[in-house]
Amino acid sequence: NAGVTQTPKFRVLKTGQSMTLLCAQDMNHEYMYWYRQDPGMGLRLIHYSVGEGTTAKGEVPDGYNVSRLKKQNFLLGLESAAPSQTSVYFCASSRLETYNEQFFGPGTRLTVL
Amino acid sequence: SQQGEEDPQALSIQEGENATMNCSYKTSINNLQWYRQNSGRGLVHLILIRSNEREKHSGRLRVTLDTSKKSSSLLITASRAADTASYFCATRASNTGKLIFGQGTTLQVKP
Repeated sequence: NAGVTQTPKFRVLKTGQSMTLLCAQDMNHEYMYWYRQDPGMGLRLIHYSVGEGTTAKGEVPDGYNVSRLKKQNFLLGLESAAPSQTSVYFCASSRLETYNEQFFGPGTRLTVL
Repeated sequence: SQQGEEDPQALSIQEGENATMNCSYKTSINNLQWYRQNSGRGLVHLILIRSNEREKHSGRLRVTLDTSKKSSSLLITASRAADTASYFCATRASNTGKLIFGQGTTLQVKP
């Protein structure tokens, strides 16, 4: 049982390049989330999904797109990376019920030059 | 916008001492959760307290919740060097159901 995994762990992009971050979970969770974490700030929700084929915007969705084609996978895409997107990105998953914890992946450190 | 505000931002104590971190929030909540993050790692869930609970214990952790003051505290007793980490509170808003994280408290426990 690997929990929540993220690939890649590190990435450096040039401004304007695109990339996709992959999140996978093997806990059969319905909900999945993408957060970004910046120095001195907590986690901010980018997008989330309440089930296969559905996605919704979080607090800071601009510049990102997501897809949930399979229940176990949640992809975060950057179409045209900007230096402001330099951050650490965390994926998380949880069961459907309200009183459930979120399980986090180890994070992806992204630098945009 | 951030709902949780944590205090203090940083805390340094000696091993064996107790550490107390506080969290304040703005809107009505279903529950409040505390997470721990070791440097360079993902967050790990520590404890959840529901809005109708006032206190909860888990090992060396004690969490209190005061919904009238919209605040919570996390107490770590008999701290160890291994407790060195950042601690985040997260509130699940009643209206949106989303989990909103505070900015965190960085705890350093000196051996």
